[in-house]
Amino acid sequence: EVQLLESGGGLVQPGGSLRLSCAVSGLTFSSYAMSWVRQAPGKGLEWVAAIGNRGVSTYYADSVKGRFTISRDNSKNTLYLQMNSLRAEDTALYYCAKHFRYADGSYLNYWGQGSLVTVSS
Amino acid sequence: DIQMTQSPSSVSASVGDRVSITCRASQDINNWLAWYQQKPGKAPRLLIYGASSLQSGVPSRFSGSGSGTDFTLTISSLQPEDFATYFCQQTNSFPRTFGQGTKVEIK
Repeated sequence: EVQLLESGGGLVQPGGSLRLSCAVSGLTFSSYAMSWVRQAPGKGLEWVAAIGNRGVSTYYADSVKGRFTISRDNSKNTLYLQMNSLRAEDTALYYCAKHFRYADGSYLNYWGQGSLVTVSS
Repeated sequence: DIQMTQSPSSVSASVGDRVSITCRASQDINNWLAWYQQKPGKAPRLLIYGASSLQSGVPSRFSGSGSGTDFTLTISSLQPEDFATYFCQQTNSFPRTFGQGTKVEIK
């Protein structure tokens, strides 16, 4: 059974930092690209960042570029999101999600249950 | 960035109704589109990928169509478990943008 388990969320002051982790099991982690997607309270989904299966290629939403860093450790089957210079508008439930490729497209077929990040003084 | 616009924002329907949700991309995305279902307090679930391919385990009453800039998710006969919010997402280019969501509510 494929499982994605996020951790590391919590309350942080504006300007602070936090690192989220996503432990993945039940599949060959190193074979798949991964993404982080967030959802502010009562709002829609916002794609945040993605990383290729080897960790070489990374992509970011404009709203987090230069502040967030996505990375992975394939030896530990774990995905990370380092979040710096946090703002109130970064408050959200952060999901990690696994990609699968189909005909040159890439889709999110497994999701974790999310880790809540609250940015407030 | 590619903007994704869903309509309607919400729809009230009864069990057994046929429901259609549309998603429009601000530029041609070929058929690189996904549909997700999200229930309150739960993670999103992939329903449709490649605009029209049904994800394994998803009931056949769900279908997707379209290409280019205009796409549709159709639920042929709404069931009680289908009341949820639905999102489209383009996977043509980064950033991978989502539509704003369509809430399907009980009439």
